[in-house]
Amino acid sequence: DAKTTQPPSMDCAEGRAANLPCNHSTISGNEYVYWYRQIHSQGPQYIIHGLKNNETNEMASLIITEDRKSSTLILPHATLRDTAVYYCIVRVPNSGSARQLTFGSGTQLTVLP
Amino acid sequence: DTAVSQTPKYLVTQMGNDKSIKCEQNLGHDTMYWYKQDSKKFLKIMFSYNNKELIINETVPNRFSPKSPDKAHLNLHINSLELGDSAVYFCASSPIQGAGGNTQYFGPGTRLTVL
Repeated sequence: DAKTTQPPSMDCAEGRAANLPCNHSTISGNEYVYWYRQIHSQGPQYIIHGLKNNETNEMASLIITEDRKSSTLILPHATLRDTAVYYCIVRVPNSGSARQLTFGSGTQLTVLP
Repeated sequence: DTAVSQTPKYLVTQMGNDKSIKCEQNLGHDTMYWYKQDSKKFLKIMFSYNNKELIINETVPNRFSPKSPDKAHLNLHINSLELGDSAVYFCASSPIQGAGGNTQYFGPGTRLTVL
């Protein structure tokens, strides 16, 4: 799996867009970008994933650069409940016999009132 | 209408005891997992099961054993508990096909404290 780099922490004002960057410069052509988050004392929660096109769902948008070496998760109108650790994970889905996710240290996003 | 559930939510026990954590998913997924989150908050995979077959087993002591009575359940048995086993244990499940194969759904976690 490609290695990812994320800032350890970020702040965002409530109601503003939160833009969380992730660098994955060694990503290979068949690797997807996945985002999860973990709110304090809860299990990780899937947010979104993509291969090369930008993706949007009810939770967030995922912008992947044309060279695919980096991506940005966008929470369009952050709320206090979005305060969590956000994980960017890159891997080939269903690759090999193991499908485990490898979590790094992620980005602690704090939404401020 | 919980998708992935775990019991118990909290487990406090003495060193040397044997304990089990149960996990159930009602999503019809083919693969289930156990993760361990230690005090430093790092999430590490322990096991995964696909159609009753253990398909990964990281460097986990053999005191830990996953048991899957059916596709919807993956229980975690721990023998001879040690202080270092104190952590939060998360169960997860995922479908097997397509790019969604890595979309995992996690349970609420079981906080294990070994005294």
